[in-house]
Amino acid sequence: ETGVTQTPRHLVMGMTNKKSLKCEQHLGHNAMYWYKQSAKKPLELMFVYNFKEQTENNSVPSRFSPECPNSSHLFLHLHTLQPEDSALYLCASSQGGTNTEAFFGQGTRLTVV
Amino acid sequence: AQSVTQPDIHITVSEGASLELRCNYSYGATPYLFWYVQSPGQGLQLLLKYFSGDTLVQGIKGFEAEFKRSQSSFNLRKPSVHWSDAAEYFCAVGYNDMRFGAGTRLTVKP
Repeated sequence: ETGVTQTPRHLVMGMTNKKSLKCEQHLGHNAMYWYKQSAKKPLELMFVYNFKEQTENNSVPSRFSPECPNSSHLFLHLHTLQPEDSALYLCASSQGGTNTEAFFGQGTRLTVV
Repeated sequence: AQSVTQPDIHITVSEGASLELRCNYSYGATPYLFWYVQSPGQGLQLLLKYFSGDTLVQGIKGFEAEFKRSQSSFNLRKPSVHWSDAAEYFCAVGYNDMRFGAGTRLTVKP
């Protein structure tokens, strides 16, 4: 148990659906992250939030929309996804700023059909 | 641009044998270095980290890693591997954000 909880653990959605992934941390961290992990590819950083402000968006398609209502919660809203978006989506948190280790949730396994 | 390279995609060792997983980084300044482990279907767990000071760092589960500036390397080692160590291992470099290597999958033979 890392203190970072992601729900749901598994999600199957059609290409026309809208769904959301949720991440919650109880570590008092100020930074939260979304990563995408696809088979045979390096872990890809998608979004970074520091003190609820988005500080990085690594050229992620607009069909992925993050939301950070407070420093404990992070959402990833999904709509009109493609089959190639199927992956493990990992949330992480850290103390914030630079140079601190990230604590990861267990991930949401997303399948787009 | 900063990058992390893990040259070995898959390594198989016998239980009880020693292990070394390689990691090379490319960065202009001394980076902050991490090793994470991921069991199937799970998130990533931090094994150890290097920020500064002693270049040999100890981590959890009997792992250690050595930072070698001259070789731009941060290799992970364990003297005696256990079957439960079978997992995917990721090296990461942190500065403004964290960049991960592609990972090395470790298989442990009985």
